[in-house]
Amino acid sequence: NAGVTQTPKFRVLKTGQSMTLLCAQDMNHEYMYWYRQDPGLGLRLIHYSVGEGTTAKGEVPDGYNVSRLKKQNFLLGLESAAPSQTSVYFCASSLGLAGAGRHEQYFGPGTRLTVT
Amino acid sequence: GEDVEQSLFLSVREGDSSVINCTYTDSSSTYLYWYKQEPGAGLQLLTYIFSNMDMKQDQRLTVLLNKKDKHLSLRIADTQTGDSAIYFCAESLNNAGNMLTFGGGTRLMVKP
Repeated sequence: NAGVTQTPKFRVLKTGQSMTLLCAQDMNHEYMYWYRQDPGLGLRLIHYSVGEGTTAKGEVPDGYNVSRLKKQNFLLGLESAAPSQTSVYFCASSLGLAGAGRHEQYFGPGTRLTVT
Repeated sequence: GEDVEQSLFLSVREGDSSVINCTYTDSSSTYLYWYKQEPGAGLQLLTYIFSNMDMKQDQRLTVLLNKKDKHLSLRIADTQTGDSAIYFCAESLNNAGNMLTFGGGTRLMVKP
């Protein structure tokens, strides 16, 4: 049981380039999330999904797109990378159910992205 | 709007107690969480408290919630060097805990 995995672990892009970050979970979770982490700002939600085929905007969605074609995968795309998108990106998943012990979010190890 | 604030840094000696504080602004929070992030890793849930509770204890961890002051704290008893990490508090506004707002994180350094 690998939990939540992310690829790649590191990436350097030039301004204007595009890339896709892949998140995979093997826990049959309904909900998946993409966050970015910047020093002193904590984690901010970019986009999330409440099930296969659904996506929704979070707090900072501009410049990013997502897709959830399969329940276990959640892709984050940058169409035209900008230096302001230099950050550490975390994927997370959760059961999506209410009640104690069933709403925990499980995080992947992160992807460090640098845009020059 | 939602805003969760934490102090940036805390340094303690091994064996002492650590208290990490957090303030939040949204009084409709349902769950409040403490996550731990070790260097180079993702976040790991340490503990959480439901908004109708004042205190929760889990081994070395004690969470105190003051709803009137919108203040949350995490006390780590007998702090060890392995507790050195960044600690994030987060609030959820729904029962499913799906929409979290995180604080900026407190870096805990434990000196031997």
